[in-house]
Amino acid sequence: DSGVTQTPKHLITATGQRVTLRCSPRSGDLSVYWYQQSLDQGLQFLIHYYNGEERAKGNILERFSAQQFPDLHSELNLSSLELGDSALYFCASSVQGSGTTGELFFGEGSRLTVL
Amino acid sequence: GQQLNQSPQSMFIQEGEDVSMNCTSSSIFNTWLWYKQDPGEGPVLLIALYKAGELTSNGRLTAQFGITRKDSFLNISASIPSDVGIYFCAGRYGGATNKLIFGTGTLLAVQP
Repeated sequence: DSGVTQTPKHLITATGQRVTLRCSPRSGDLSVYWYQQSLDQGLQFLIHYYNGEERAKGNILERFSAQQFPDLHSELNLSSLELGDSALYFCASSVQGSGTTGELFFGEGSRLTVL
Repeated sequence: GQQLNQSPQSMFIQEGEDVSMNCTSSSIFNTWLWYKQDPGEGPVLLIALYKAGELTSNGRLTAQFGITRKDSFLNISASIPSDVGIYFCAGRYGGATNKLIFGTGTLLAVQP
């Protein structure tokens, strides 16, 4: 158990819909990262938040948005869903926003299926 | 999206064999990490490397941070069935974010 909690574990929805994925980082971790893993693909970085502020953006579509709340949990919002958005979405947390350590601890993921 | 080149893409071995996989990048990293992902699970950190030339072991696993800072390898000795999974390398540039760039993954299958 990494200590990172993601909900829901599975989600099935239709094209055009909007969903919200939630992540609670490990106790004490200030950074939250979101990654997308499509079938047969590696992990693609989406976005990084540190203590409520956006720190870095990766290949995140404009239809997607995220935020980190004062209690440090984060939400990833996916809207106008398309079939290609079906993927595993992982949240990871780490203690620092920058520095010499790079260990990220991953949650078990939210599997999104768009029909 | 940006990814590291990881090889081999897959390996099918007999229990007890040693395994070697590597990762290369066109960019210099200041951290290399190796993760393992089991089906339906999130990646789990195996080994972290912070200095060029560093060689680190974790049980039967050994990883090295390449001298050029553009590559890393992972060795698994005396493989066992529970080693099955997908192994990912990941690199970190540093700076204002700890975001990791992941390799394409190596699928390892171990036959008892």
